Amino acid sequence: DTAVSQTPKYLVTQMGNDKSIKCEQNLGHDTMYWYKQDSKKFLKIMFSYNNKELIINETVPNRFSPKSPDKAHLNLHINSLELGDSAVYFCASSQDQRRGGRETQYFGPGTRLLVL
Amino acid sequence: KQEVTQIPAALSVPEGENLVLNCSFTDSAIYNLQWFRQDPGKGLTSLLLIQSSQREQTSGRLNASLDKSSGRSTLYIAASQPGDSATYLCAVPQGAQKLVFGQGTRLTINP
Repeated sequence: DTAVSQTPKYLVTQMGNDKSIKCEQNLGHDTMYWYKQDSKKFLKIMFSYNNKELIINETVPNRFSPKSPDKAHLNLHINSLELGDSAVYFCASSQDQRRGGRETQYFGPGTRLLVL
Repeated sequence: KQEVTQIPAALSVPEGENLVLNCSFTDSAIYNLQWFRQDPGKGLTSLLLIQSSQREQTSGRLNASLDKSSGRSTLYIAASQPGDSATYLCAVPQGAQKLVFGQGTRLTINP
């Protein structure tokens, strides 16, 4: 069974469109994250949620809106897509948000977004 | 602000060799340091988590060391195999909430 799953795996879309990426974890973790890995392979955190509550919101354009319907799911909705949004987006989860940086995080396989 | 640097950016070695990957960080007040592996087209897999109170952590052919005072960690891979080919990333917590990653070392093991 996949611990952290993301859909879709690949997403190709036109500038200006709105798209969503879904993430689910079956590990029973309280905390989930979204990371962005750019073309230079830098992996940077975007958001963190704990039990459906937003914990971390890095300097991310407000076109990006995470939504957590329950603690096992954290979806990422992106409005008005731009060329610079092309990247690989990773979802991750960890046991306890209070120790989110101190313990192992489990990553999904990534969603490769290409904006044309 | 924590910054993490990994050297080299890419490394290619023949199968069977021992090798060392390097990671440095600017803020030595860390709780731990983690090494991850990223295979092409896949997510990250945690390899080793070394606590700030530890100097070493071992898993199979992998050995991670941590020197907080100098802001450095190394990942030693013994008897390398083609299956070890991947990108290796190190990460340290910034505060309690989030991880800061290095850019990674792309490792190729040649049969």
